[in-house]
Amino acid sequence: DIVMTQSPDSLAVSLGERATINCKSSQSVLYSSNNKNYLAWYQQKPGQPPKLLIYWASTRESGVPDRFSGSGSGTDFTLTISSLQAEDVAVYYCQQYYSTPPAFGQGTRLEIK
Amino acid sequence: EVQLVESGGGLVQPGGSLRLSCAASGFTFSSYWMSWVRQAPGKGLEWVANIKQDGSEKYYVDSVKGRFTISRDNAKNSLYLQMNSLRAEDTAVYYCARDQDGVGLWDYWGQGTLVTVSS
Repeated sequence: DIVMTQSPDSLAVSLGERATINCKSSQSVLYSSNNKNYLAWYQQKPGQPPKLLIYWASTRESGVPDRFSGSGSGTDFTLTISSLQAEDVAVYYCQQYYSTPPAFGQGTRLEIK
Repeated sequence: EVQLVESGGGLVQPGGSLRLSCAASGFTFSSYWMSWVRQAPGKGLEWVANIKQDGSEKYYVDSVKGRFTISRDNAKNSLYLQMNSLRAEDTAVYYCARDQDGVGLWDYWGQGTLVTVSS
């Protein structure tokens, strides 16, 4: 099974500043036949279900603000929020869908400094 | 508008059974793989099971194999999870989620239903 590890576990960033969350997979999630990374990012606010933000490592889901971006390939990935807004306070999860079982990272709690 | 509404959660004793349901609307249910994903209180997310559009393929996380059964009724636009031999560690909010292409990429989620296994 692929294990996903996020860093840091928690993060406090000032409003308007950049937030960066890292995700590492125990093996590559890059599928060579289509050159796609099977990596997604979700946002979960308190009392709500997760919301898909990014898939294929860098494709923004429809309606997601462009301050959210994803990057990386193979085993190392990053979610960046370019200018933190108050409504971005949440727990963020990376998730691999390269192989079964699909697996999530442990989550990163993002707060306002 | 896509909607997924779970029901059937509650308090059950260890060793007991429970059947969760998920009512889908706003999309062609029979065209999508569907999944159950759970979240223990204060913990992270864990995929539980998924099922192909016609129900011909089903997959489970190892910890629930032989105890949980996923099923669907496309005529009723409904997804189910039959949970038997429940354990304390099955306590969680259970989410129903739509899988974009059967790869484990979930674009719509329900609000979840809480299952508590306790004596």
